[in-house]
Amino acid sequence: KAGVTQTPRYLIKTRGQQVTLSCSPISGHRSVSWYQQTPGQGLQFLFEYFSETQRNKGNFPGRFSGRQFSNSRSEMNVSTLELGDSALYLCASSSTGGDNSPLHFGNGTRLTVT
Amino acid sequence: AQSVAQPEDQVNVAEGNPLTVKCTYSVSGNPYLFWYVQYPNRGLQFLLKYITGDNLVKGSYGFEAEFNKSQTSFHLKKPSALVSDSALYFCAVRDDNQGGKLIFGQGTELSVKP
Repeated sequence: KAGVTQTPRYLIKTRGQQVTLSCSPISGHRSVSWYQQTPGQGLQFLFEYFSETQRNKGNFPGRFSGRQFSNSRSEMNVSTLELGDSALYLCASSSTGGDNSPLHFGNGTRLTVT
Repeated sequence: AQSVAQPEDQVNVAEGNPLTVKCTYSVSGNPYLFWYVQYPNRGLQFLLKYITGDNLVKGSYGFEAEFNKSQTSFHLKKPSALVSDSALYFCAVRDDNQGGKLIFGQGTELSVKP
């Protein structure tokens, strides 16, 4: 099976712009989660989608949003970008998101905000 | 709330020697614990998990982890380190029955020297 695919790998944006990141989960996986990784804050949970519904949400401002499509592919959007949004954004999928199923991560999208 | 702590930012080991990467946890119910590894410019790769059962869990690439309920620890171990094991290691706990939401430790940089 192909792994989790994230596009694009790298993005450079300017403050105030918005950005959309894409994630294709492993075939058959219905849960998609998003994480932000920064040197200072480490790995922080953004949100999780399951069957097109947001199931869990982390402590991020409303500028961060996401959605999931019927084929389980997911996108996250960040509006009005700030310098502090520069980070590696990781997407992860699992079969059900249940307690026993590990997350499988993509290689991430490196976002740089200037 | 669930949490994990990795007390060492960096661990240095000589090739061929045993390695231990430490993790302690705090949970309100049954612990669902995971170890992930991250290589430069890549996403996280799943190594192993503890859900229930044997306290010694075996995982990928020769790694194993020992669950100790009395010490609330879940240390990652390998009998003989390889230079290629050099990477960033994360311990994580599933958050309060919230599916795809993992709480990560801050990470431990493992360096294995020839």
